[in-house]
Amino acid sequence: AQKITQTQPGMFVQEKEAVTLDCTYDTSDQSYGLFWYKQPSSGEMIFLIYQGSYDEQNATEGRYSLNFQKARKSANLVISASQLGDSAMYFCAMRETGSEKLVFGKGTKLTVNP
Amino acid sequence: DTAVSQTPKYLVTQMGNDKSIKCEQNLGHDTMYWYKQDSKKFLKIMFSYNNKELIINETVPNRFSPKSPDKAHLNLHINSLELGDSAVYFCASSRRTGNYNEQFFGPGTRLTVL
Repeated sequence: AQKITQTQPGMFVQEKEAVTLDCTYDTSDQSYGLFWYKQPSSGEMIFLIYQGSYDEQNATEGRYSLNFQKARKSANLVISASQLGDSAMYFCAMRETGSEKLVFGKGTKLTVNP
Repeated sequence: DTAVSQTPKYLVTQMGNDKSIKCEQNLGHDTMYWYKQDSKKFLKIMFSYNNKELIINETVPNRFSPKSPDKAHLNLHINSLELGDSAVYFCASSRRTGNYNEQFFGPGTRLTVL
């Protein structure tokens, strides 16, 4: 079974609008971490935001925020005021307690239209 | 002042050859990783080393052999290259301690096997 599910292969958004990228996860651990990475067309992997399973508040980093719903096992990324430079692949990932590895979803390709 | 560097950035080679990819991090991290990103952009962990000790060894053909001469370096050697090895290989590093374990990625090495 997939541990990280990103159901949107592609998303489109108009410049300056907000967009939500979906991520659901599957774990029986109580302690885990959730990450979002951005991969622009140039290929590098850029860390965006982190949410710990025990964090009571949703994580925010500038225009990025994470809509964490623990009971639903979802960790959606919200990008506010989209910019053309936000066009990229976005990956959700999870690290379970005691594991050093990140398990990635299949990614969502975001296109920001002018 | 590159944090995680990989060489080469591009590698084109014939089937059956042996090749190596080098990775170095100057972040003082004690854990390093190799990930493979296939043509569909799916990222999967291959190996992880902590303080030169192998801690993750996913189901990877034994033609792939990681080597960690010290904490700052993790190289990947591939024997008898096959067409299916064509992919982008990412090196990453992180601190092992703490629940928050952001992984910093290198720029990737695009391997093409002809």
